[in-house]
Amino acid sequence: RKEVEQDPGPFNVPEGATVAFNCTYSNSASQSFFWYRQDCRKEPKLLMSVYSSGNEDGRFTAQLNRASQYISLLIRDSKLSDSATYLCVCDNAGNMLTFGGGTRLMVKP
Amino acid sequence: EPEVTQTPSHQVTQMGQEVILRCVPISNHLYFYWYRQILGQKVEFLVSFYNNEISEKSEIFDDQFSVERPDGSNFTLKIRSTKLEDSAMYFCASSPTGGVRYGYTFGSGTRLTVV
Repeated sequence: RKEVEQDPGPFNVPEGATVAFNCTYSNSASQSFFWYRQDCRKEPKLLMSVYSSGNEDGRFTAQLNRASQYISLLIRDSKLSDSATYLCVCDNAGNMLTFGGGTRLMVKP
Repeated sequence: EPEVTQTPSHQVTQMGQEVILRCVPISNHLYFYWYRQILGQKVEFLVSFYNNEISEKSEIFDDQFSVERPDGSNFTLKIRSTKLEDSAMYFCASSPTGGVRYGYTFGSGTRLTVV
């Protein structure tokens, strides 16, 4: 069974902190990787794709290590509005996505 | 920004009843998907649909489930005889091309409660 594993958290951090999430995936054939954000009882929203070379979008940086089958997300200068569940997502060598269970982030004032 | 719309936002049904969940994908998209999320659990793939037929389905998508694109805009998920364990959020998604290289956009979901 192809799995994506994440630490469920919660990560409780003060505003302005830097926080990092990791995930591991079991399907070595996966080619596409993403971080999605999900607010309570809402739909997942695409935060960013993850590339082998690493990529950055504002305060967010994502890294992929194919050899270790490991993906990370770094959030700098955390805002209250960053409080959400962050979902690590991989393709399953087809047309479907496999989701991790999510890591919950709570940013406190 | 174009979006995927789903109706109803919340549906309550009695066990054994049929339900139809409706989705309007983004207009120029060709690939359509249903996922579900049981409360407190992972988002799970159900089915993908292209060119008026199912392209992939998971083991969850058994004979009780069916999908249809009855006209040029709607994409529906039917559950023939609902069970208590079908209670979940059901998310529709669409993408312009096959493969998931760029991720895809989800609708806001239908919360199905089976009583």
